[in-house]
Amino acid sequence: GQNIDQPTEMTATEGAIVQINCTYQTSGFNGLFWYQQHAGEAPTFLSYNVLDGLEEKGRFSSFLSRSKGYSYLLLKELQMKDSASYLCAPMDSNYQLIWGAGTKLIIKP
Amino acid sequence: GAVVSQHPSRVICKSGTSVKIECRSLDFQATTMFWYRQFPKQSLMLMATSNEGSKATYEQGVEKDKFLINHASLTLSTLTVTSAHPEDSSFYICSARDLRDYNEQFFGPGTRLTVL
Repeated sequence: GQNIDQPTEMTATEGAIVQINCTYQTSGFNGLFWYQQHAGEAPTFLSYNVLDGLEEKGRFSSFLSRSKGYSYLLLKELQMKDSASYLCAPMDSNYQLIWGAGTKLIIKP
Repeated sequence: GAVVSQHPSRVICKSGTSVKIECRSLDFQATTMFWYRQFPKQSLMLMATSNEGSKATYEQGVEKDKFLINHASLTLSTLTVTSAHPEDSSFYICSARDLRDYNEQFFGPGTRLTVL
């Protein structure tokens, strides 16, 4: 079957760094997306990895290891507005996104 | 960047009525649009995949006669919730796949449906 495993909730301090891990199993693989979702809003795109390695985009970086079925999202210089759910979504062989419940990130001052 | 709009953003209706939600890709053509439903504190659940000019493909457990999907053009898909009941109250989100980039999906802002 297909499944996603992420921590349910994480807490971090404003200004710090946090890493959100994701392991996945899919039928085929066409890349992995990270989305941010604030409560009551639709997801917004953060990053896309299709090859192994680290993709850096400002304060956010995403890493992928296809052989391990593993990805992480790294958030630096945390701000209060980063409090949200972070969704790891691999794309399967049918180009369909597979969704887990996401990780709720709580930022404390 | 690619923009997807949804209308209405919020709707409250009485039990037994039907509600139509529109999803539009504003600056790109979308051969495929996806409809999701999300209950509080739960993951996004794919309801159906709609391809322009053809019938939608529904996920297991989603009633096709209750959730009518029409994808009449490359920029518009509609979801009609027929004979809505309180248990249909949820956050409905559409996403669209750009014809030029098969890998990326762009999400609409979502529609909050409350059935009284």
